[in-house]
Amino acid sequence: KAGVTQTPRYLIKTRGQQVTLSCSPISGHRSVSWYQQTPGQGLQFLFEYFSETQRNKGNFPGRFSGRQFSNSRSEMNVSTLELGDSALYLCASSTGQDLSEAFFGQGTRLTVV
Amino acid sequence: GQQLNQSPQSMFIQEGEDVSMNCTSSSIFNTWLWYKQDPGEGPVLLIALYKAGELTSNGRLTAQFGITRKDSFLNISASIPSDVGIYFCAVIPRGTYKYIFGTGTRLKVLA
Repeated sequence: KAGVTQTPRYLIKTRGQQVTLSCSPISGHRSVSWYQQTPGQGLQFLFEYFSETQRNKGNFPGRFSGRQFSNSRSEMNVSTLELGDSALYLCASSTGQDLSEAFFGQGTRLTVV
Repeated sequence: GQQLNQSPQSMFIQEGEDVSMNCTSSSIFNTWLWYKQDPGEGPVLLIALYKAGELTSNGRLTAQFGITRKDSFLNISASIPSDVGIYFCAVIPRGTYKYIFGTGTRLKVLA
């Protein structure tokens, strides 16, 4: 059974650009969560989707958005990139309506220059 | 907001030693998870805990969360070099559909 797949693994963008990150959950998993990880702030919750519906959103500016497709794949978008957006972005998938064990992808390392 | 404090923040141990780390919260949680993260990789689930006071094992790893449901510990026996990494605890506040992660314990093993 394939794990959580995130693409791309590495990304370098310029300030002001936008970026789209992709996450394919484990087959059969319907919940997808996104987290931002930085050395200073640790793992911070961005948003969670279940069956194409966003059920919760973290305390991030509106430049951060996401969506989930009918096949449970998810994307997150960051517009007008800032230097502080440089981080490891992690996607996690979980089985059902109630969160239980979350399985993470390898992450996308975003560097904004 | 809700916070999980992990201790120690970092530790250096000799290969073969046993390790113990813990995670505390000011709130009650009914599910506790322990993850390990290698540099530049995503966290990997080690142990999931669903019953307070019950020991759960995964190879050389043993974990439990207390009957107060406000703390949890993870033990690693006979450490090996590949145990190096950052260990996180995590909980799921009821009805929030998100995980809260601890501050992490960085483990270094000296051969």
